[in-house]
Amino acid sequence: KQEVTQIPAALSVPEGENLVLNCSFTDSAIYNLQWFRQDPGKGLTSLLLIQSSQREQTSGRLNASLDKSSGRSTLYIAASQPGDSATYLCAVGAVWSNYQLIWGAGTKLIIKP
Amino acid sequence: NAGVMQNPRHLVRRRGQEARLRCSPMKGHSHVYWYRQLPEEGLKFMVYLQKENIIDESGMPKERFSAEFPKEGPSILRIQQVVRGDSAAYFCASSLSTARSTDTQYFGPGTRLTVL
Repeated sequence: KQEVTQIPAALSVPEGENLVLNCSFTDSAIYNLQWFRQDPGKGLTSLLLIQSSQREQTSGRLNASLDKSSGRSTLYIAASQPGDSATYLCAVGAVWSNYQLIWGAGTKLIIKP
Repeated sequence: NAGVMQNPRHLVRRRGQEARLRCSPMKGHSHVYWYRQLPEEGLKFMVYLQKENIIDESGMPKERFSAEFPKEGPSILRIQQVVRGDSAAYFCASSLSTARSTDTQYFGPGTRLTVL
């Protein structure tokens, strides 16, 4: 059974710092992995998608890496800004399903001005 | 093109009442997925529907919960005789097709259900 864990559950850093969020999964047989952003009262926004054959994806100040063999993904945020404050969720696309996503509990990020 | 719409955004019910959550998918999307997010937990898959069909309800509790996606109108997630443990955020997602949709699901803002 695939399980997805995100550590830490919460993180508070001063503005301008670079930071890393972690996601681990128990079964390396994944189809893809996504990082989402969740803002209070709003929907989920997909930030980065990494296919199982890829090692990393970049979008602006965000970089996500994937190491299937060790069951880990990291989301790197460069030069953090207060607007980056949100909950970041990691979701794994199962190989045994065309549509089911298995989610971590998220990391609540607060960027202090 | 409007995104996935969910209403109500907040719903308060007393124990024993019924809760009806609505989801209007993106225009042209005929596949709908419901997820539940309990406090401090990740989202959990509940049910996958296509127009007039339930494809997979393996994540939905067998009792008190039901879902439908009629030919016309929104998808409805119905919870009968709610209990405090049903308090959660319920998210709906939609996709255009499901050749594989793990990377093409668009999410609504969610409905936050509070059971008193």
